[in-house]
Amino acid sequence: AQSVTQPDIHITVSEGASLELRCNYSYGATPYLFWYVQSPGQGLQLLLKYFSGDTLVQGIKGFEAEFKRSQSSFNLRKPSVHWSDAAEYFCAVGAGGAQKLVFGQGTRLTINP
Amino acid sequence: KAGVTQTPRYLIKTRGQQVTLSCSPISGHRSVSWYQQTPGQGLQFLFEYFSETQRNKGNFPGRFSGRQFSNSRSEMNVSTLELGDSALYLCASSPRPGLAVSSYNEQFFGPGTRLTVL
Repeated sequence: AQSVTQPDIHITVSEGASLELRCNYSYGATPYLFWYVQSPGQGLQLLLKYFSGDTLVQGIKGFEAEFKRSQSSFNLRKPSVHWSDAAEYFCAVGAGGAQKLVFGQGTRLTINP
Repeated sequence: KAGVTQTPRYLIKTRGQQVTLSCSPISGHRSVSWYQQTPGQGLQFLFEYFSETQRNKGNFPGRFSGRQFSNSRSEMNVSTLELGDSALYLCASSPRPGLAVSSYNEQFFGPGTRLTVL
């Protein structure tokens, strides 16, 4: 069965600092990987996705993620965070053959001014 | 193109009641999936519908049910509500499901329905 682990429940960074959110997955086949962001009281917005090809994927809002098969990881990065990036971030893996996402527990990001 | 819409956005019910939530997918999308989000359990898959048929179901009791109409709109129903059913219920649509094990289609999420059970 698929599973996703986000080891960091809460991360605090200063505005302008770099960010890396960790994600490890378990899936037997080629994974379909996603990062979503959720602001309070809102639904999920897709930041980026990896289906195949280049292992470094670019997303919206200046985010990028790198797929590392050997480490079963799909970490999210941003070189310089903005106060508006404060939100909860979810890593997810898509189950092939089913429109079903398995999510990690999420990482809450706080930005210090 | 309009996004996924969910109605109502907020709902308050009491234990033992039942509730129906509605989801209208993006125009042209025929696959709808539902998720429950709670602080304790996180985001969990409820079920997936395509062409009015339930294709997959998550690990939820039979009190949770759903259906899809010919226009792809979907409803989910929770009967005999319990306090633990308080959650944000999210609907997601995609053009069609990935019909092969090796395929997957991106899902687009609605804003959710916040259900509070008192």
